[in-house]
Amino acid sequence: NAGVTQTPKFQVLKTGQSMTLQCAQDMNHEYMSWYRQDPGMGLRLIHYSVGAGITDQGEVPNGYNVSRSTTEDFPLRLLSAAPSQTSVYFCASSYSRAINTGELFFGEGSRLTVL
Amino acid sequence: DAKTTQPNSMESNEEEPVHLPCNHSTISGTDYIHWYRQLPSQGPEYVIHGLTSNVNNRMASLAIAEDRKSSTLILHRATLRDAAVYYCILRDNSGGSNYKLTFGKGTLLTVNP
Repeated sequence: NAGVTQTPKFQVLKTGQSMTLQCAQDMNHEYMSWYRQDPGMGLRLIHYSVGAGITDQGEVPNGYNVSRSTTEDFPLRLLSAAPSQTSVYFCASSYSRAINTGELFFGEGSRLTVL
Repeated sequence: DAKTTQPNSMESNEEEPVHLPCNHSTISGTDYIHWYRQLPSQGPEYVIHGLTSNVNNRMASLAIAEDRKSSTLILHRATLRDAAVYYCILRDNSGGSNYKLTFGKGTLLTVNP
């Protein structure tokens, strides 16, 4: 049972490049989400999904795209990277759609630098 | 915006109890209070959550005020490993969605040897 796995752990991009941050969980969780964390800040929600085929926007969705074709995977795509997207990205999942009572499990994070 | 208010930082000595406060004066009747912590260079990890009654687990205790407008996370004996940012968060029901957990800046806990 690996929990929530994020790849890559580190990535450097040039402005305008595209890339995908991968997130996989093996706990059969319905709910998955992506957060970003900037220095000295809390976590801000980018996108989330409550099941395969269902996604919605969080607090800071601009510049990011997501899809959920399977229960296990929830990739985050940067379409045209900008320096403002330099951040640490965390994927999280939960067994509870309502996440009111469910524990959120986080990955170890992906540190992205955009030059 | 986050609906909780926490001190920016607190200090404690090793082996002593720590009481981390959180104010949430606009909490709704069905909101659960969640606590997470983030160790340096790691993702957040769940600590505890509750609705009305005080809650205990192996990591900590959660004391919830009778009017539910505030709560306190209690670490009974702080260790150096407890040095982290502690987040008090509520289910975010803005926009009619109950799928968002909003993390504020949290409280940075420093534990002195």
